[in-house]
Amino acid sequence: DQQVKQNSPSLSVQEGRISILNCDYTNSMFDYFLWYKKYPAEGPTFLISISSIKDKNEDGRFTVFLNKSAKHLSLHIVPSQPGDSAVYFCAAKWFNNNDMRFGAGTRLTVKP
Amino acid sequence: IAGITQAPTSQILAAGRRMTLRCTQDMRHNAMYWYRQDLGLGLRLIHYSNTAGTTGKGEVPDGYSVSRANTDDFPLTLASAVPSQTSVYFCASSRLAGGPDAYNEQFFGPGTRLTVL
Repeated sequence: DQQVKQNSPSLSVQEGRISILNCDYTNSMFDYFLWYKKYPAEGPTFLISISSIKDKNEDGRFTVFLNKSAKHLSLHIVPSQPGDSAVYFCAAKWFNNNDMRFGAGTRLTVKP
Repeated sequence: IAGITQAPTSQILAAGRRMTLRCTQDMRHNAMYWYRQDLGLGLRLIHYSNTAGTTGKGEVPDGYSVSRANTDDFPLTLASAVPSQTSVYFCASSRLAGGPDAYNEQFFGPGTRLTVL
């Protein structure tokens, strides 16, 4: 039973436009949510995170929004660049716990 | 260069054989993790270690064992490989397992692609 779901396996956007990647979760006890980015033949790299006590966190072109009542979070990339083309994983964890649950990933393609 | 190394990069293994995947980090991180990545399922935690000398089970531990004799190394062993263990395996580490460092960023190695025939 996947507790973190990314229902869109792929997304294609034009360079300069906004990319919106979505993630849903089922366990209301998750305390922290993270986004990881993965290029082919490399391990995932941490991108941005948000605590369950916040509803928005911004870092440069990347913003994560959390809607706890809907158990939904999204990653916004503005403006999108070709170098952003990668697989993005949403993850959730409990405070002081090792068990981080990942979504299946969304492959983002940014076209020049 | 600081980071995590994994070996081998890829391996084809006959079912029933024993295999150890190696993982070494030089960041002096306390916590280490093993994940497997399968299409449509994302990454799933196999085993973890909060600190040298301790290990714990993750979401999918069956068929795997780990040891943590020192801070830097965290090998993953498949005692008798089966085809369902065909996957890409990622080792990761983090400064802490939890506590005040709430976001607890995990740093990942480049992965080992394992095929069990």
